[in-house]
Parts: sequence; C-alpha cells; structure tokens
Amino acid sequence: GAGVSQSPSNKVTEKGKDVELRCDPISGHTALYWYRQSLGQGLEFLIYFQGNSAPDKSGLPSDRFSAERTGGSVSTLTIQRTQQEDSAVYLCASSLDGRPRRSTYGYTFGSGTRLTVV
Amino acid sequence: GEDVEQSLFLSVREGDSSVINCTYTDSSSTYLYWYKQEPGAGLQLLTYIFSNMDMKQDQRLTVLLNKKDKHLSLRIADTQTGDSAIYFCAENPGYSTLTFGKGTMLLVSP
Repeated sequence: GAGVSQSPSNKVTEKGKDVELRCDPISGHTALYWYRQSLGQGLEFLIYFQGNSAPDKSGLPSDRFSAERTGGSVSTLTIQRTQQEDSAVYLCASSLDGRPRRSTYGYTFGSGTRLTVV
Repeated sequence: GEDVEQSLFLSVREGDSSVINCTYTDSSSTYLYWYKQEPGAGLQLLTYIFSNMDMKQDQRLTVLLNKKDKHLSLRIADTQTGDSAIYFCAENPGYSTLTFGKGTMLLVSP
C-alpha cells in the first residue's frame, strides 16, 4: 500500500485478556519498528525487525509482550494478560533500510492503535 | 543526560515565528530529524539534517544544528494555526533505531 497501515485503530480490552495489534508496512521496506506512546512518556522503542535478521527485542517491557513478522512483511504485536499500564498508543513504522547510518529519510509511521485496558 | 530533551509546550500567535529546541545525546548521530504529529495521527517526517551541516532551510522551516553543544532547533516562520501539533526531534546513534524526545506541543492561537 501507499502507507503504513495499522489495525485496529482502537481497541478496548478487559484486564487479563490477550490482544493482537497488526502492522502492514510499506511494500519493499525491509525494516519495521514498534513504538509505544504514552502520555508524558514520549515514544518508547519496543522492537525492531530488519530483513531476515533476528529482531532487536531490547525495548520490550516484559515477557507478556512479543512480536513476529511473517514473510518479511506484516507484523503482529501481541500483549498477553493485559494490564492497565499497557494502555497507550502503539505505533508501527517502516523504513527502506534500517541498517545503521542508512536511514536517510527516517521512518514512515502508521496512525497507531489506541489500546485501552479497563 | 541520556535522554533526548525537549521543552514540553510552546504557545505562539499566528504569524509569529516559533522556535522549538532539542538537546540530543549522541555526537555520532549521522542524521537528526524533526517529526510532526497531528491529533489522532502517526508521526510525519517534517525535515532532517545531516550531521555535517549547520543549517538547513526548507520553505518556512529552518533547522539549526550546533554539534558542539548537541543542540538542534526548528524554526517555523509565519506560524499558522495548522502548525499546531506535537513536534518530536530524533537522533540515530550508532545502532539503527531512532531515539525520540518526548515531544513539544505547539499551540498557535489566532
């Protein structure tokens, strides 16, 4: 597609339930990123995929969070046993090439998924 | 500090210039970026500057880079109400993921 597509745009879930958030990057972009945006916290890096390399999971806040990227394209972020502190906007971005010092034009972001845990 | 720092809020009148400041952390960052986020939307790349430049101008936007002080600024000339948004600066240190500031909310009043 023309841009990065995220679904759903809004998700309300009960505490303790699992949720899946989907990201469809720009076709041909090898790098895909997940960030979390909370009030007053700015953008918090979660995970990064580059081509067929092992993902950089260093930003995942707990083992309840996981992500996969199938076929080098679509990515799914899964949060198990959701907690209220997981409420945030989850942003996905992609770039043509995420390798160090090559991200000349930065990232293209999706509109995000607003997750509310009640 | 270890964080990319920005002031949280700026209020200006329509037609004035806006200056948003940022202090970044890693002198090895090759590129520095400004992103804009409108309500309910993702971040949109506004402009970027290569680390060997001191200034970059793009229509109403001027980016100034002071590498010695690791200070980046974004000036918006003739600010319009449509410029109201949150502005993020970002750096790319040696590893590839961008590090973002917390964002500056710009409010433009008529």
